[in-house]
Amino acid sequence: GAGVSQSPSNKVTEKGKDVELRCDPISGHTALYWYRQRLGQGLEFLIYFQGNSAPDKSGLPSDRFSAERTGESVSTLTIQRTQQEDSAVYLCASSISTGELFFGEGSRLTVL
Amino acid sequence: QKEVEQNSGPLSVPEGAIASLNCTYSDRGSQSFFWYRQYSGKSPELIMSIYSNGDKEDGRFTAQLNKASQYVSLLIRDSQPSDSATYLCAVTGGLVFGKGTRLSVIA
Repeated sequence: GAGVSQSPSNKVTEKGKDVELRCDPISGHTALYWYRQRLGQGLEFLIYFQGNSAPDKSGLPSDRFSAERTGESVSTLTIQRTQQEDSAVYLCASSISTGELFFGEGSRLTVL
Repeated sequence: QKEVEQNSGPLSVPEGAIASLNCTYSDRGSQSFFWYRQYSGKSPELIMSIYSNGDKEDGRFTAQLNKASQYVSLLIRDSQPSDSATYLCAVTGGLVFGKGTRLSVIA
């Protein structure tokens, strides 16, 4: 596709359930980022993938959060045992190396 | 700890005025700087990138960079109500974002 695609666009889950969020970057973009944005707040960096290098996981808030990316393709962000404080919009962005970012529309997660 | 600081606002300017948005950063080795605009309920979109000291102009937008002062700014000339949004400053690609400044342009 022409842009960054994220799915699902909306997810409502119960506390304690696991969720998976998917990001399909722009073709040819080697860098992929995940962010969390709580209501009315700024972007919180979670994880960064660059090609086949080891990901920068420094922003992951707890071991309940993990992400994978195979090569330069799709990435999946997994949140285990969800908590109410995980409710937020999860944004994915891709870029050519560490340059200008192109964002997806986000996945809105609501944990009841 | 790399940090990017922005005044959260809101910054209110009348229509037609110049809006000035400011950003400071802590990592003196930073080489790339970006401004993004985020409308309420939408994702951020890139407005400007700047890599060298000085000014860079694109239409009504001018980015200014001063590496010695670790300061980057965005000027919006002839502000329009459609410019009302949150403006995010980013340093070194996507690794560090400021919390954003909310701009309100009053008609």
